[in-house]
Amino acid sequence: AQSVTQPDIHITVSEGASLELRCNYSYGATPYLFWYVQSPGQGLQLLLKYFSGDTLVQGIKGFEAEFKRSQSSFNLRKPSVHWSDAAEYFCAVGPSGTYKYIFGTGTRLKVLA
Amino acid sequence: GAGVSQSPRYKVAKRGQDVALRCDPISGHVSLFWYQQALGQGPEFLTYFQNEAQLDKSGLPSDRFFAERPEGSVSTLKIQRTQQEDSAVYLCASSPGGGIENEQFFGPGTRLTVL
Repeated sequence: AQSVTQPDIHITVSEGASLELRCNYSYGATPYLFWYVQSPGQGLQLLLKYFSGDTLVQGIKGFEAEFKRSQSSFNLRKPSVHWSDAAEYFCAVGPSGTYKYIFGTGTRLKVLA
Repeated sequence: GAGVSQSPRYKVAKRGQDVALRCDPISGHVSLFWYQQALGQGPEFLTYFQNEAQLDKSGLPSDRFFAERPEGSVSTLKIQRTQQEDSAVYLCASSPGGGIENEQFFGPGTRLTVL
């Protein structure tokens, strides 16, 4: 069965520091991969997605993610975190040919001023 | 507004009551999804509509859960005889197409608390 693991429940970084949020998936083939952000009281917003091609994907708000097939990972990165990035981040996979997302349990990011 | 809206934003129900949660998708979006997000968890798929047709209801946890989208636009998720384990945030999402490659746009959710 497909699954998504986000091993870090909480992460705290200082403003201006770099960020990496981990995501590992379990699936027989390369699925479609997504990162969403959820701010308090807001809906989930898509940051970026990977379908095929270049394994380094650029997204909104200065985020990027790298797909590594050998590690079944799709880690999210940002070179310099802003206080407004404090939110919960979800990695999701979607097997090709379907419509369902399978979400990880999320990583809550706290940013210190 | 141009986004997905949901109402009510918060709902408190006594155990055994019926509740109805509404979703207004983005105009013209063919696909509509409902997800359940328990505290500390990621969203979990409940059901999927393409226009008015409910193509997948495999995620509905019990027959107390029922969803409809009669005119292919607004959708309602109904929970009968609510139980405490139904407490969660219910998210609605819409998408212009049916495939996974189409971005799903999420509403703010309805937080249901069952006492």
